[in-house]
Amino acid sequence: EADIYQTPRYLVIGTGKKITLECSQTMGHDKMYWYQQDPGMELHLIHYSYGVNSTEKGDLSSESTVSRIRTEHFPLTLESARPSHTSQYLCASSETGPGGDTQYFGPGTRLTVL
Amino acid sequence: EDQVTQSPEALRLQEGESSSLNCSYTVSGLRGLFWYRQDPGKGPEFLFTLYSAGEEKEKERLKATLTKKESFLHITAPKPEDSATYLCAVQVWKTDSWGKLQFGAGTQVVVTP
Repeated sequence: EADIYQTPRYLVIGTGKKITLECSQTMGHDKMYWYQQDPGMELHLIHYSYGVNSTEKGDLSSESTVSRIRTEHFPLTLESARPSHTSQYLCASSETGPGGDTQYFGPGTRLTVL
Repeated sequence: EDQVTQSPEALRLQEGESSSLNCSYTVSGLRGLFWYRQDPGKGPEFLFTLYSAGEEKEKERLKATLTKKESFLHITAPKPEDSATYLCAVQVWKTDSWGKLQFGAGTQVVVTP
C-alpha cells in the first residue's frame, strides 16, 4: 500500500487567489497523477507525470498547472481561482508492474472557490 | 473509443444479502482491470487488479472475476461497513510505456442492518 499525502484536505478561498495543492508520496513511484472529481461523478484525469521534469495534460482540460522537480512531489497550481474550479482534487501515484500500473490515491483536497 | 460501464448505479442491500456488481468494458487491448472502493469525501482505495479472462481474486467478503467483456465484484454476506461506492477502471496497452486508467461511474452500495 502506497503512502501518499495531500494538503490541505479542505480549502475555501476567494475568486482570483493563487493556490497550490500539495501532493507527496514516499514510495519512490515514478508516475504521478492528478484527477478531478465532482460529487457523485466520475474521476477525470487532468495531469500526469512519468517522472522528474515530465508532465502531460490529461483527458479533461484544466486551467491548472503542475510541476515535477522531485520524484516524491507533484504540486498543482491554480494562478487565479474561480468558482468553476470548485471540486475535489485527487492525487495518485504508481510504479510500473509486470502487468500494469496500480494507482494508489491520496485522501483528496476539497476546494471551494467563493 | 474505450468505454467502461458499471451497473447498477446504486444498490441497496440488507445485511447478509449477497449480490454482484457489473463492470462491462470495450477496449482495444486490456492491460489490466482494477477495482477500487471509495468512501464519501475520500480517495479511492485499491482492492484488486485482474489481468486475464478467467482470473479471480478474493479479499474478505469481496470476490472479483474477469471475462473478456466484463468483470463482476461479488459481495458475500455484506455488512454495513461495506457501504461505499465501488469503482471499476481499465488500463489498455499503448505504444508508449504509459497506460491511463479509464474509470466507470461507479456503483453506490448501501448495506442496512
